[in-house]
Amino acid sequence: EAGVAQSPRYKIIEKRQSVAFWCNPISGHATLYWYQQILGQGPKLLIQFQNNGVVDDSQLPKDRFSAERLKGVDSTLKIQPAKLEDSAVYLCASSLRGQGARVTGELFFGEGSRLTVL
Amino acid sequence: AQKVTQAQTEISVVEKEDVTLDCVYETRDTTYYLFWYKQPPSGELVFLIRRNSFDEQNEISGRYSWNFQKSTSSFNFTITASQVVDSAVYFCALSEAILGGTASKLTFGTGTRLQVTL
Repeated sequence: EAGVAQSPRYKIIEKRQSVAFWCNPISGHATLYWYQQILGQGPKLLIQFQNNGVVDDSQLPKDRFSAERLKGVDSTLKIQPAKLEDSAVYLCASSLRGQGARVTGELFFGEGSRLTVL
Repeated sequence: AQKVTQAQTEISVVEKEDVTLDCVYETRDTTYYLFWYKQPPSGELVFLIRRNSFDEQNEISGRYSWNFQKSTSSFNFTITASQVVDSAVYFCALSEAILGGTASKLTFGTGTRLQVTL
């Protein structure tokens, strides 16, 4: 079974430029998450999708960050314009939904996209 | 508000030593879920275990064991006979609910970096 795919793995941009990250979840996983992990910190949830609808975006800085999951499969996270403090690893995760007795709440993570803003 | 504290920033042990990673949490919810994830150098977080707040039974899986104590709001993780392959950053996390198999808004601690040397 293929894991969560993310691209690009690394991106370096100047402040005020824009950047986009792509995520393809595990096939059949209805829930998709974007997390931001700043160096030395734990991941912080930016947005959670259920199919193509947003479940939680309370911690997404909406003045500069946007995310979409138009067809309920893959997703794009965009930052425009980027700030120095956006330097972080952006992790995408997916999880299964409604599996009856097999309810673990397990999230499957991709390897992340490391963003450096200069 | 939920909070997870991992006071140990970094731990170094020699192979075959036992090591315990501490996790203390805060929540106002009566039902909640606790997780441990491992983040190897490749970057992706790997699910290790989930515990429900209403189940305080400790768990052992091979060399891994978890001690959940609701009275002290702690969920500690012990690796017995550590190996070099255990070197990684370990995150404790807290979720307020699991709905239809999907964890909602995981709150992560800052992680503990474990270095196991020969």
